[in-house]
Amino acid sequence: QKEVEQDPGPLSVPEGAIVSLNCTYSNSAFQYFMWYRQYSRKGPELLMYTYSSGNKEDGRFTAQVDKSSKYISLFIRDSQPSDSATYLCAMSGGNTDKLIFGTGTRLQVFP
Amino acid sequence: DGGITQSPKYLFRKEGQNVTLSCEQNLNHDAMYWYRQDPGQGLRLIYYSQIVNDFQKGDIAEGYSVSREKKESFPLTVTSAQKNPTAFYLCASSNAGGESPLHFGNGTRLTVT
Repeated sequence: QKEVEQDPGPLSVPEGAIVSLNCTYSNSAFQYFMWYRQYSRKGPELLMYTYSSGNKEDGRFTAQVDKSSKYISLFIRDSQPSDSATYLCAMSGGNTDKLIFGTGTRLQVFP
Repeated sequence: DGGITQSPKYLFRKEGQNVTLSCEQNLNHDAMYWYRQDPGQGLRLIYYSQIVNDFQKGDIAEGYSVSREKKESFPLTVTSAQKNPTAFYLCASSNAGGESPLHFGNGTRLTVT
């Protein structure tokens, strides 16, 4: 079993939809949770950073962490075609000094 | 502008040749990383360095080598021993510590024929 599981998609939604992207993990020691957005042929860019449980909002993006269920989510409101990209979750903590990445979910928002 | 520069963007080599990928950062980060990205496999860690003149193997170090002679630079050599070198290579840097997010360059696409 992988430490971090992420559905690869692709996920195709119409413009304006609410998008939910998710990751599950097995290591209960993880405390730092991140979401990266990666456009085609580009490097990943940090979108959201969350410590421990709870929600964090930034514009149209909301990150949620549920440590009891070992589940993290990224919500995108009013999705735009420019949101079309691959979204990677990443996490670390405990005795892991490296970030562990999910495989990424490819999102396509069509006009 | 602070950031990470990877060059070149595209690289083509013949099988059996070693090739070196460049990575430079001006973020004053202590730690630097090399990842390989293949379709459907996510990011796999090749090597990382948390301080100058020191580096550690990641999950898939075989067939690769690195050096860290300067804080700003972390070149990756893909040797002829790497069985499947064609891939997208990403360099990243961060402040020391697992809680620090990574900052990525825009990658080098290596094609070996």
